[in-house]
Amino acid sequence: EAGVAQSPRYKIIEKRQSVAFWCNPISGHATLYWYQQILGQGPKLLIQFQNNGVVDDSQLPKDRFSAERLKGVDSTLKIQPAKLEDSAVYLCASSVRGVNEKLFFGSGTQLSVL
Amino acid sequence: ILNVEQSPQSLHVQEGDSTNFTCSFPSSNFYALHWYRWETAKSPEALFVMTLNGDEKKKGRISATLNTKEGYSYLYIKGSQPEDSATYLCAFGPNAGKSTFGDGTTLTVKP
Repeated sequence: EAGVAQSPRYKIIEKRQSVAFWCNPISGHATLYWYQQILGQGPKLLIQFQNNGVVDDSQLPKDRFSAERLKGVDSTLKIQPAKLEDSAVYLCASSVRGVNEKLFFGSGTQLSVL
Repeated sequence: ILNVEQSPQSLHVQEGDSTNFTCSFPSSNFYALHWYRWETAKSPEALFVMTLNGDEKKKGRISATLNTKEGYSYLYIKGSQPEDSATYLCAFGPNAGKSTFGDGTTLTVKP
């Protein structure tokens, strides 16, 4: 089966610019997650979708980050405006139902903010 | 916020050595413990989901044990190979997606 697709693979921007990341989960997976992984740390959950609804966005910095999952399939995460501390790998993951089951990750987008 | 700690932070071993690392988590209110392997430039890959005290899981040369009463899990690699070089992450929480991740143990296996 096809895995979780993410793009772009790398992105370099200057602070105060905007950036968007795209994720297409495994077909049929209802639950989609976005994580931020800062170098040397474990991934931190930003937002969880169940189909096209937000389940948890408590750790999403809503003043600059936004995410959507229109039609309950692919998803976009946006940062506007970016700060230096946003430099990280942004990982997307999906699972069938969002219970205690296996997560499938994409290969991530490495963002550098200069 | 749950406190999940991994040790050591990094490890360098020779090909053929066996090695192990530790994941510590709160011993009260156990949910489930997940292990992932993350190779450079690839996607994190789920290795094990551990849910019961005393669980032992095995996948090839990699195995894991779980002690929920004392709040730790060990990951063992027998006869390390260069392709085992990766960052190994554990995650603890009520479900896989909302788990708290440790900072990982980065393993480098030298030929």
